[in-house]
Amino acid sequence: EPEVTQTPSHQVTQMGQEVILRCVPISNHLYFYWYRQILGQKVEFLVSFYNNEISEKSEIFDDQFSVERPDGSNFTLKIRSTKLEDSAMYFCASISGAGETQYFGPGTRLLVL
Amino acid sequence: GNSVTQMEGPVTLSEEAFLTINCTYTATGYPSLFWYVQYPGEGLQLLLKATKADDKGSNKGFEATYRKETTSFHLEKGSVQVSDSAVYFCALRPTGFQKLVFGTGTRLLVSP
Repeated sequence: EPEVTQTPSHQVTQMGQEVILRCVPISNHLYFYWYRQILGQKVEFLVSFYNNEISEKSEIFDDQFSVERPDGSNFTLKIRSTKLEDSAMYFCASISGAGETQYFGPGTRLLVL
Repeated sequence: GNSVTQMEGPVTLSEEAFLTINCTYTATGYPSLFWYVQYPGEGLQLLLKATKADDKGSNKGFEATYRKETTSFHLEKGSVQVSDSAVYFCALRPTGFQKLVFGTGTRLLVSP
């Protein structure tokens, strides 16, 4: 069964460093998402991406964040200058069409020291 | 705004016990409602969904009914198994949007 994959599974970085989290959505899917979950808190929407552009973003998704689909298979989330409060589990998701079920990856646990 | 409230965990049960995990929501319009499950080390998997009032979603013995009058979508299972131990997330998709709004998740621990 097709699945969403994410790499790395864990990443530790120093405050102020750039990180890139990678996702490979299911191959025929068209809509892509990033969510995050700070430990013990809710899963929060960050951004949605369709047709090579951002379709919606939350107030969390400020200028420090960016997304890209560089090669037609990968979908990346970049944090330019990490802060301690960026420590969280980051989930990627994709769907085939509007209104369909979102399929999630296993997540990347990011720890900023 | 849109929000989801779930009961605090962990919920600890013995095998074959009855499970209820409460979920209530606040939303404008007519959202779709979901339960996702996360097994250890894995991603979020859709467990069941309901797209309109009075719909009942069901899967793997779990069920939940979309109750507009009480703005609830409680998850139930008649007889839990050890393999049901996981974190369960209630979520809504607001009308006209694609993003999901999640609750905090409820950890279920089932002992033999």
